[in-house]
Amino acid sequence: DVKVTQSSRYLVKRTGEKVFLECVQDMDHENMFWYRQDPGLGLRLIYFSYDVKMKEKGDIPEGYSVSREKKERFSLILESASTNQTSMYLCASSFSGNGETQYFGPGTRLLVL
Amino acid sequence: GENVEQHPSTLSVQEGDSAVIKCTYSDSASNYFPWYKQELGKGPQLIIDIRSNVGEKKDQRIAVTLNKTAKHFSLHITETQPEDSAVYFCAARLYSSASKIIFGSGTRLSIRP
Repeated sequence: DVKVTQSSRYLVKRTGEKVFLECVQDMDHENMFWYRQDPGLGLRLIYFSYDVKMKEKGDIPEGYSVSREKKERFSLILESASTNQTSMYLCASSFSGNGETQYFGPGTRLLVL
Repeated sequence: GENVEQHPSTLSVQEGDSAVIKCTYSDSASNYFPWYKQELGKGPQLIIDIRSNVGEKKDQRIAVTLNKTAKHFSLHITETQPEDSAVYFCAARLYSSASKIIFGSGTRLSIRP
């Protein structure tokens, strides 16, 4: 059974803190993605990675960075959290060959105070 | 940039009736159109998809239609049941990126008993 796990379901941080969101997949997928989900805006791509140590900016990368040191793990980093980064963060993964179906984790709801 | 528009944002139907959600896309070279369902507290999950070389696809009570000329596609759910209540997202794969997809803003579907 495919599985994408995210390190936290809920997180409360203060403005200016450095925040790490971790995502792990057990399907040996090449591609991994970070999205943020906001009401009325759908899912917006922050960053994605198509291989270890490779990354590409998505549509809204400002204020975020990512790290992919191992194939199964993709981390999203908020260097200095701000209140406008309060959101639901979703991680997903997919195969590269027939890389259409994305498998999502349950999400991390982040509140920045 | 490329985008996907989705309507309506909320939809309430009587149990047993049909529900239709519509999307339009801007990238005329898009060739793959998935639909995802997000239940409360979970990440989105693929429920059906269609490629640009077919006009319609069915899977039990769910069907998707595609009109390439008009650049729009729709999700049809027949004989709706309480478990169909969820948020539905349409998406389109960008021709320029084999792995990247653009999501619509989502439709919250409620089934009235």
